[in-house]
Amino acid sequence: SQTIHQWPATLVQPVGSPLSLECTVEGTSNPNLYWYRQAAGRGLQLLFYSVGIGQISSEVPQNLSASRPQDRQFILSSKKLLLSDSGFYLCAWTWLRTDTQYFGPGTRLTVL
Amino acid sequence: ILNVEQSPQSLHVQEGDSTNFTCSFPSSNFYALHWYRWETAKSPEALFVMTLNGDEKKKGRISATLNTKEGYSYLYIKGSQPEDSATYLCAFSPPNTGNQFYFGTGTSLTVIP
Repeated sequence: SQTIHQWPATLVQPVGSPLSLECTVEGTSNPNLYWYRQAAGRGLQLLFYSVGIGQISSEVPQNLSASRPQDRQFILSSKKLLLSDSGFYLCAWTWLRTDTQYFGPGTRLTVL
Repeated sequence: ILNVEQSPQSLHVQEGDSTNFTCSFPSSNFYALHWYRWETAKSPEALFVMTLNGDEKKKGRISATLNTKEGYSYLYIKGSQPEDSATYLCAFSPPNTGNQFYFGTGTSLTVIP
């Protein structure tokens, strides 16, 4: 069976510090991978998606970036965090078109 | 960015009441509509995926309908129980994309015992 992992579970970082969130999927190959964010009082917003190694599409211009160095690994990064980057970050995967997206446990990021 | 709207934003019902929520999405460019249930401190859990106009799906006391021509979907919960308390999200997927989902802001349901 497939499982999706995210770490860390929670993170408190100062403004201006770098960020690296990792997501890995087990039990499948060549998944589509997604990063979402839920800011306080807002819905889930798609940040990035990837259909293959090294292929990243960005939905919203921001100071975040994503990379996919391996087939089942998806990384969300920032060089300098902003207060507005605080939120709950979810990674998701899907395999076939129209198939359900399955979500990881999420990372709660607080930028102070 | 595609606009997906859900209403109401929040809802409080008594145990045993039936309830329903609405998800509105662009009708001109449709591929699939998904419903998720999101409990606090857990990952969103998939409920339904619907692709055809007129689709009706059911899972226990929860059911959903789809109207792609007018761009809406309803989620129904019959005989609400306290364990149904959660945020219910819908997600719209347009064609010719990397299976991108565009989520609504959700309906927060609280079932009062």
